[in-house]
Amino acid sequence: QKEVEQNSGPLSVPEGAIASLNCTYSDRVSQSFFWYRQYSGKSPELIMSIYSNGDKEDGRFTAQLNKASQYVSLLIRDSQPSDSATYLCAVSGMDSSYKLIFGSGTRLLVRP
Amino acid sequence: GAVVSQHPSRVICKSGTSVKIECRSLDFQATTMFWYRQFPKQSLMLMATSNEGSKATYEQGVEKDKFLINHASLTLSTLTVTSAHPEDSSFYICSARRTGDQPQHFGDGTRLSIL
Repeated sequence: QKEVEQNSGPLSVPEGAIASLNCTYSDRVSQSFFWYRQYSGKSPELIMSIYSNGDKEDGRFTAQLNKASQYVSLLIRDSQPSDSATYLCAVSGMDSSYKLIFGSGTRLLVRP
Repeated sequence: GAVVSQHPSRVICKSGTSVKIECRSLDFQATTMFWYRQFPKQSLMLMATSNEGSKATYEQGVEKDKFLINHASLTLSTLTVTSAHPEDSSFYICSARRTGDQPQHFGDGTRLSIL
């Protein structure tokens, strides 16, 4: 059973702080990794994709991947109240469908 | 960007009605589209994977005769919930992907309420 694990939270940080969201996955052959943001009552929105070990930065967001440890994280710098949402980690493998396996999500609260 | 349009955004109808939901990729050709269902405070649940021109692949436990999927072109997939009942009330979300390991981009979702 392929699994993606996230802490459900809520993770509460003050405005302006760095929020660190973590995710582990069980399938060693996973190749593609994604972070989605989902506001309450809305559909998921792609934040970052990462395919190789190391860091990938896009604005205030940095994704980090460590395939040896089967670990992927998302850092949000200068957190804003508008960042308050549920963050979903998603992993896809090598089968022909490239289906995504989603974690259950971490709820982030950014306090003004 | 990659824009996926889903319509309608909300449906309220009587038990026994069939409901069709459309999912369109507006600015790219999607070789694969996916249909998800999400109940309140729960994670996304994949229902089926749809490739253009071929039959959809349903996840275990999803009734293919109840949830009819048609993927007639590289930009359009439809989900029809046949003879819907109150237990089918949920948030249905489609996603589309260009090829292979490219990200999935989600539509805005359809909130289905069966009375």
